[in-house]
Amino acid sequence: DIVMTQSPLSLPVTLGQPASISCRSSQSLVHSEGETFLSWYQQRPGQSPRRLIYKVSNRDSGVPDRFSGGGSGTDFTLKISRVEAEDVGVYYCMQGTLWWTFGQGTKVEIK
Amino acid sequence: EVQLVESGGGLVQPGGSLRLSCAASGFRFSDHWMSWVRQAPGKGLEWVANIKQSERYYVDSVKGRFTVSRDDARSSLYLQMSSLRVDDTALYYCARLNYTGYRYFDHWGHGTLVTVSS
Repeated sequence: DIVMTQSPLSLPVTLGQPASISCRSSQSLVHSEGETFLSWYQQRPGQSPRRLIYKVSNRDSGVPDRFSGGGSGTDFTLKISRVEAEDVGVYYCMQGTLWWTFGQGTKVEIK
Repeated sequence: EVQLVESGGGLVQPGGSLRLSCAASGFRFSDHWMSWVRQAPGKGLEWVANIKQSERYYVDSVKGRFTVSRDDARSSLYLQMSSLRVDDTALYYCARLNYTGYRYFDHWGHGTLVTVSS
């Protein structure tokens, strides 16, 4: 099984400041098709997960452009350029290359 | 608008059974892979099962105990759970899996809570 490891697990951020979350996989996420199936989700308090990013760096429709994803192989990053109050919640990375596994989640809160 | 509405959760004793349902609308149900993802209280997300037509896949921890099925005519997804254990306690989400070329969950329901306790 592919294990996904996120860091940090807790991320206090000042409003308007950037934030960065790391996600590492236990093996390469490059699929035999040549694609890398790494996605990111946001779960606001009391809500269902919401998709943000798919295939490493593609923002879903309606996702603000302050969110960006990057990385390759086994190392990936979700960045928020300027954190807003509505960004509070838990963020999960997920791999879909070999079955589907999620990271532990990173809780983003306002300082 | 895509909508996924789960039902069927509740309190069940260890060793018992429960059947979850998910009513889908707003898209051509039969064209899509569908999934169950669960979240134990205060914990992270765990993929449980996928189904598309006759293809079914499960996480190892539920193999032999859970069965995923669907009724395309009713746009409904089901999860039959048996031999339930305390560690199956979770909020169970129905999710649409965008499989071909993407392999991620693009729509989620609000979840139905399953509590396994004596």
